[in-house]
Amino acid sequence: GAVVSQHPSRVICKSGTSVKIECRSLDFQATTMFWYRQFPKQSLMLMATSNEGSKATYEQGVEKDKFLINHASLTLSTLTVTSAHPEDSSFYICSAKETGGLRSSYEQYFGPGTRLTVT
Amino acid sequence: SQQGEEDPQALSIQEGENATMNCSYKTSINNLQWYRQNSGRGLVHLILIRSNEREKHSGRLRVTLDTSKKSSSLLITASRAADTASYFCATSQGGAGNKLTFGGGTRVLVKP
Repeated sequence: GAVVSQHPSRVICKSGTSVKIECRSLDFQATTMFWYRQFPKQSLMLMATSNEGSKATYEQGVEKDKFLINHASLTLSTLTVTSAHPEDSSFYICSAKETGGLRSSYEQYFGPGTRLTVT
Repeated sequence: SQQGEEDPQALSIQEGENATMNCSYKTSINNLQWYRQNSGRGLVHLILIRSNEREKHSGRLRVTLDTSKKSSSLLITASRAADTASYFCATSQGGAGNKLTFGGGTRVLVKP
């Protein structure tokens, strides 16, 4: 149980285009999801907290107009990288917290990540 | 911002040896978690230790927490080649959002 999927797993796009990444909780409901980015051989940096039915909360330094987050249902959050540039190339990882349920309220379940390459 | 720092940044050991890595953090926490990440993959939750706990075990894993020193350690005993991965600590201050702040990670290589 507690599976989180991401789609696509890899994407290559041209500079200036937009890319949408999906994060789904497959067997549980998640009011809260988180989006991270990770550069090679570095740690995860939290970008934003995605809340179902409300606006996302962005971390300092993260452009909300560039990284659009939509959390329209209890099992799906999307991250859209708008007008992507090569410096946006990174590994994007989402995580989800279960709403209610029997699992620990502290635990986040991570997706497998999406590798974005902007050419 | 990144709260935790991990030490060492990289560790190379022989199969069967123990691996120890440390994590330091700056602010008060509600809990601290350790995760494993295989190259190019997502994170796997290993263990959570609450701020009122000092030590926790799970299989071959042993985690300690010293809140007075704001540090934690992860010990992997009798390491296996399959333990080769990056290990991250992550702290949480609790609250409704329960945001995690990750340390820099330790890359562990277990040689067969």
